[in-house]
Amino acid sequence: GAGVSQSPSNKVTEKGKDVELRCDPISGHTALYWYRQSLGQGLEFLIYFQGNSAPDKSGLPSDRFSAERTGGSVSTLTIQRTQQEDSAVYLCASSPTGGHYGYTFGSGTRLTVV
Amino acid sequence: AQSVTQLDSHVSVSEGTPVLLRCNYSSSYSPSLFWYVQHPNKGLQLLLKYTSAATLVKGINGFEAEFKKSETSFHLTKPSAHMSDAAEYFCVVTLYSSASKIIFGSGTRLSIRP
Repeated sequence: GAGVSQSPSNKVTEKGKDVELRCDPISGHTALYWYRQSLGQGLEFLIYFQGNSAPDKSGLPSDRFSAERTGGSVSTLTIQRTQQEDSAVYLCASSPTGGHYGYTFGSGTRLTVV
Repeated sequence: AQSVTQLDSHVSVSEGTPVLLRCNYSSSYSPSLFWYVQHPNKGLQLLLKYTSAATLVKGINGFEAEFKKSETSFHLTKPSAHMSDAAEYFCVVTLYSSASKIIFGSGTRLSIRP
């Protein structure tokens, strides 16, 4: 597509439920990133995919968080047993290579855990 | 360790006056540097990027940034602020490393006084 598409744009879930957030990057972009932006805070790196290489998962805050990228394209971020502190805007970005020429961000998924 | 420091969490200027948003980075490698803008409830938009070409980079909406290696700085400027410039601005570094991770500064909120 023309841009990075994220769905849903908003998600309200009950504490303890699992959620799946989807990112559809720009076609042909090999690099894909997930970030989290909490209220009043900066962006927190979560995970990075580059082509067929093993993902860099060093930013995932706990084992309740996981992500996969199927066929080098669409990525899904899964949060199991959601907690209130998981409430944030989850941003996805993609880039043609390793990101040295800039990134295109999606508009994010606002997750609210009640 | 690599890092990005945005020296001001909040900058307030009058409409029509110059804007200066400061950014310093720390890197063992040659970085690629970016400024992104985020308007309220909007996604991140690329303002400009430095990728080892000209040290003075022009971006959208009249913004510029100058890469100064000796000072490890990449400050963002605009000669004359406009009300529509009110937003959060992020300085971003990409480093040549095994996992090409985006490193975000903590952000600077720019307010414009009428």
